[in-house]
Order: sequence, then C-alpha cells, then structure tokens
Amino acid sequence: ETGVTQSPTHLIKTRGQQVTLRCSSQSGHNTVSWYQQALGQGPQFIFQYYREEENGRGNFPPRFSGLQFPNYSSELNVNALELDDSALYLCASSSQGDEQYFGPGTRLTVT
Amino acid sequence: GQQLNQSPQSMFIQEGEDVSMNCTSSSIFNTWLWYKQDPGEGPVLLIALYKAGELTSNGRLTAQFGITRKDSFLNISASIPSDVGIYFCAGPGGGAGGTSYGKLTFGQGTILTVHP
Repeated sequence: ETGVTQSPTHLIKTRGQQVTLRCSSQSGHNTVSWYQQALGQGPQFIFQYYREEENGRGNFPPRFSGLQFPNYSSELNVNALELDDSALYLCASSSQGDEQYFGPGTRLTVT
Repeated sequence: GQQLNQSPQSMFIQEGEDVSMNCTSSSIFNTWLWYKQDPGEGPVLLIALYKAGELTSNGRLTAQFGITRKDSFLNISASIPSDVGIYFCAGPGGGAGGTSYGKLTFGQGTILTVHP
C-alpha cells in the first residue's frame, strides 16, 4: 500500500509569484485535504476535495485554490505569493472519515 | 471558530518516565485524534477516539475521550528516546461548507524531549 506522496519537497519562490504543489493520495482514499503549517504551530485546514470538487474551506483567501483529478490526486495553487505564505504545506488523504493520513509535506519559502 | 488548547507546551523527561498531556476544546467534538510529528515530516496518526469516555491503547500509548466531549488525554508509558517529537491533538470541524468529515482543527502541540 502506497502512502501519501507530495512534490516537490522544497521550493523557493519570490513574492508575487505563483506556485503549484502536488499530492498523490493513499491507495483507496478518495478525499484529499490541504493544510498549512507555519513554524511552531499546528496545521491549519485550507480546503478539502472530494469527487473533484471543493468540499469545505478554511479561513484562506481565494488566491489559494486547488484541483482534484479523477485518480484522486490533487494540486494546491497559490497566486500572488506573500512572505507569510512561507510554511510547510501538508496534504492528507482519507476515505470519508475523520482519520487523515498525511504526506511528508512541501516546504515553501517565499523571499 | 473552534480552538484546541494543549498542555503542557513542552516537556523534558528522563527515559523510562511516563508522560501525560491533554487537550481541551471550546466546543464539543465527536472525534478526537492524536498525531505525532517528527522534524521535517508530516504528522502520523497515533490514536483515534470516537466515543465519550472511550479509552484506547496503541502499544505504550493510551488516549482517552473525555466524558464532557471537550477534552482528551494522551499518556505514554516508559518513554524511550524515539518518543521525541511534537504531539498534536485534533478534531473535525475546521472549515465551512461541505460535509464535516476530516476538516481538522489542531492544537498548538506539545513538544516532548526525552533524555537518555
């Protein structure tokens, strides 16, 4: 059984640029959620995708957007990057329950 | 919005000691989850609790779902160096819209250091 994978591992971007992060869900899981984890904090829910549609959103602006594909993999897109967007971005997959299984994350640095 | 408060914020213990940490919520939760995160990694699910009063073990770890449904506790017995990490509690309900499943709110974490 393959766990959740994310790419890239690390990324450095400049303020104002756009970034796309990718996630492959765990085998058998049809729901993908994205979280932002700032240094020293717990993860914060960004949004969730189920059946290729957004299924709930946390307190994040519209410049955070996402996609889910028919194979349940997902992308997180962030436009107009700000310095405060520097964080570990975590993808988690599940099969319609509360138990979320996380990937290793993508460390984004905005300079 | 919902908030989870974990205590203590950090713990420094000797190998072999038992550890207790807790998590309290401003609102009722129907599920409590405990995760461990190592540096540079994603959180790993340790224990899931689904019923008030439930006591669940996973090896040396034991977690309880408080009867008020506003708190949960995690105990680690006979700690070992690999227990080092950040422990998070989490519960569903962190977002608006859609179904309630899996939109987790996390506490701020308890940092555990184990001295050999």
